[in-house]
Amino acid sequence: QKEVEQDPGPLSVPEGAIVSLNCTYSNSAFQYFMWYRQYSRKGPELLMYTYSSGNKEDGRFTAQVDKSSKYISLFIRDSQPSDSATYLCAIPQGLTGGGNKLTFGTGTQLKVEL
Amino acid sequence: DGGITQSPKYLFRKEGQNVTLSCEQNLNHDAMYWYRQDPGQGLRLIYYSQIVNDFQKGDIAEGYSVSREKKESFPLTVTSAQKNPTAFYLCASSAPGREQYFGPGTRLTVT
Repeated sequence: QKEVEQDPGPLSVPEGAIVSLNCTYSNSAFQYFMWYRQYSRKGPELLMYTYSSGNKEDGRFTAQVDKSSKYISLFIRDSQPSDSATYLCAIPQGLTGGGNKLTFGTGTQLKVEL
Repeated sequence: DGGITQSPKYLFRKEGQNVTLSCEQNLNHDAMYWYRQDPGQGLRLIYYSQIVNDFQKGDIAEGYSVSREKKESFPLTVTSAQKNPTAFYLCASSAPGREQYFGPGTRLTVT
């Protein structure tokens, strides 16, 4: 079983729709969760990160963690064509000597159509 | 302008040749990382470095080598021993315990 699983999509929605992007993870010890956005042929950029369970909101974006189900979600309200990108969930894991490596899901490709 | 630069953006090489990818950061971050991204597989960690003159293997280090002689720089060499070198390579950096910031990536094609 992969440590982090994510539906690759593609997901196509009309402009203004609410988008739900999801990941599941296998290790109940994970406590930090991140969402990155990656435009085509670019490096990922950090959108949001959350600690433990609950919701975190930033503008049109809401990150949600359900530790009992080992399920993390990213919701995008009032989606715009500029939101068209690949969204990657990531979980930091400790490295020998300190610091973290990120374990990524495969990414979900989102297209918001006019 | 603070950030991470990677060069070149596109790189083409013949099979059997070593190639070095550049990564420079001016964020004053101690830690730097190299990831590889393949379609349908997400990003996988190749090497990381927490401080100058020290680096560690990640999950898929075979066929790669790195150096960390300066805090700002973490070049990655893809050697001829790497069986499937064609991929999108991403460099990242972070402050201790903080989120990682990524560069724009280098797309390497080996034929």
